[in-house]
Amino acid sequence: AQSVSQHNHHVILSEAASLELGCNYSYGGTVNLFWYVQYPGQHLQLLLKYFSGDPLVKGIKGFEAEFIKSKFSFNLRKPSVQWSDTAEYFCAVNANNAGNMLTFGGGTRLMVKP
Amino acid sequence: DGGITQSPKYLFRKEGQNVTLSCEQNLNHDAMYWYRQDPGQGLRLIYYSQIVNDFQKGDIAEGYSVSREKKESFPLTVTSAQKNPTAFYLCASSIQQGAGELFFGEGSRLTVL
Repeated sequence: AQSVSQHNHHVILSEAASLELGCNYSYGGTVNLFWYVQYPGQHLQLLLKYFSGDPLVKGIKGFEAEFIKSKFSFNLRKPSVQWSDTAEYFCAVNANNAGNMLTFGGGTRLMVKP
Repeated sequence: DGGITQSPKYLFRKEGQNVTLSCEQNLNHDAMYWYRQDPGQGLRLIYYSQIVNDFQKGDIAEGYSVSREKKESFPLTVTSAQKNPTAFYLCASSIQQGAGELFFGEGSRLTVL
């Protein structure tokens, strides 16, 4: 079955630490990749997306993600986190051979200690 | 302000009762979706609609029903047949189904007592 895996369910970091959240998917073929973020008490919002082109994509608030096709991965990174990055992060994938429906990973809850 | 409005934000229900969650969008999007969010399971698709008067089951449609009589509105009914209805429900929309980027409402938290 097609799936999206986020292996880190909970991450705790201190401010200024570097962040990398893993995301792997099991689809073959052409995919579109997304990271969404849900800040406490707020709605889910798009952080960044990859459709084609440069596999290193930059999003809002200093986040970036790299699409590595050979590894079926789309890891999220940020060089230096802030307390305000405390949120839940969701990786999502839609694939041409899956009816273009968006499938979400289980989410990673990030807590940044001030 | 364009966006998606879900109501109510919090809802309590007794076992055996049906409850309807409202979702309205003023983004002029064709496609609308309902997801259920449970801790550690991410978002799972309940139903989606690509166009008015049409909707399709998602991965976990059992115990739920929807309607799409107007482009702007996509209400979700949680029926008494849903075995584990306590959850956080998210409505979303996109320009078209498969367009990729979804826009989400703030969610409705349903608790069954």
